[in-house]
Amino acid sequence: KAGVTQTPRYLIKTRGQQVTLSCSPISGHRSVSWYQQTPGQGLQFLFEYFSETQRNKGNFPGRFSGRQFSNSRSEMNVSTLELGDSALYLCASSPSTGTSGAYEQYFGPGTRLTVT
Amino acid sequence: GNSVTQMEGPVTLSEEAFLTINCTYTATGYPSLFWYVQYPGEGLQLLLKATKADDKGSNKGFEATYRKETTSFHLEKGSVQVSDSAVYFCALTNSGGGADGLTFGKGTHLIIQP
Repeated sequence: KAGVTQTPRYLIKTRGQQVTLSCSPISGHRSVSWYQQTPGQGLQFLFEYFSETQRNKGNFPGRFSGRQFSNSRSEMNVSTLELGDSALYLCASSPSTGTSGAYEQYFGPGTRLTVT
Repeated sequence: GNSVTQMEGPVTLSEEAFLTINCTYTATGYPSLFWYVQYPGEGLQLLLKATKADDKGSNKGFEATYRKETTSFHLEKGSVQVSDSAVYFCALTNSGGGADGLTFGKGTHLIIQP
């Protein structure tokens, strides 16, 4: 079974621009989560989607948004980029069924975003 | 809120040495606990997990036991190899179908010397 894929792998943007990152989950997984990884803050949860609905959101400004499509693929968008948004953005999919119970998450290779 | 504390390292060991990476947590309710590993330039790989107290997760020679009384989930391996060099993350999530997201520790950089 193919793993989680993310595109693009590397991206360079300028302050003030916006960016869209894409994630394709493992086949059959309906839950997709996004994380930001930086040397200073470590790994931080951005948001989680299940069946096209955002179920939870981390402590990030409104410039960070996402969506999920009917085929479970997900995109995240960052508007008005700041230098501090430079990070590795990781997507993870989970076999969560939407009911109570903790499910493991499987991560993609990430998109390395550099803001100049 | 939830939090995870682990030694950041780097931790440097010789090949075939015994490994322990400490992890303690603070959480409400009964979280599930995980260890993930990240190799250079890659995403995170799930190493092992435990979903309730006294559960032992194991994989590839690594083990960790969910200790609720000490709120700990220490990672151990009896004999490390050079290929185990990586960054190891302890993480937790509250039950809820995965909606809560994972809370990670800062990561422990492990270096194994031949």
